[in-house]
Amino acid sequence: EDQVTQSPEALRLQEGESSSLNCSYTVSGLRGLFWYRQDPGKGPEFLFTLYSAGEEKEKERLKATLTKKESFLHITAPKPEDSATYLCAFRGGGATNKLIFGTGTLLAVQP
Amino acid sequence: GAVVSQHPSWVICKSGTSVKIECRSLDFQATTMFWYRQFPKQSLMLMATSNEGSKATYEQGVEKDKFLINHASLTLSTLTVTSAHPEDSSFYICSARGTANTGELFFGEGSRLTVL
Repeated sequence: EDQVTQSPEALRLQEGESSSLNCSYTVSGLRGLFWYRQDPGKGPEFLFTLYSAGEEKEKERLKATLTKKESFLHITAPKPEDSATYLCAFRGGGATNKLIFGTGTLLAVQP
Repeated sequence: GAVVSQHPSWVICKSGTSVKIECRSLDFQATTMFWYRQFPKQSLMLMATSNEGSKATYEQGVEKDKFLINHASLTLSTLTVTSAHPEDSSFYICSARGTANTGELFFGEGSRLTVL
């Protein structure tokens, strides 16, 4: 069964303390690995899409990488405004176009 | 990115009543829209996929007669929670994929439903 697992469930960092969030997946026929940011009471905000192992994408303090088994979201010198829940999702194979989400990592960056 | 608007952002209703939530794609045509449900501190659970002009496809365990989905145009999908009960209280979020079919979904701001 296709599935995605995120770790850790929660992460507390000091401002400027870099770290990485993990998204492990077992998906047959992966057609995209997606990262989203979700603030409390809001809908998810799209960050990145990765399609193949070795691919990397960056946006400000965030960088997403992809291997054949997992994806990492690296946060460099985070700021308090980076505090949010970060969700990864996959688009599986077959006829369906739906995205299946992981349980997310709740990131808190303290000043 | 593309803009998806959801309305209302929050609604409180009495048990037994029906509630309609609208999802609009504002600057693109959405051939496919997805409805998700999210409980506190949990991830998004896909409820159903709606395609413009055809019946919605519901995920296993989702009651299609309770959660009516209509995708009447390329910019509007609606979710109606019929005969709502307290256990239907949740955060409902819609999303849309544009015609480019690049994979990413754009989400609305969500609708908080509270059933008394």
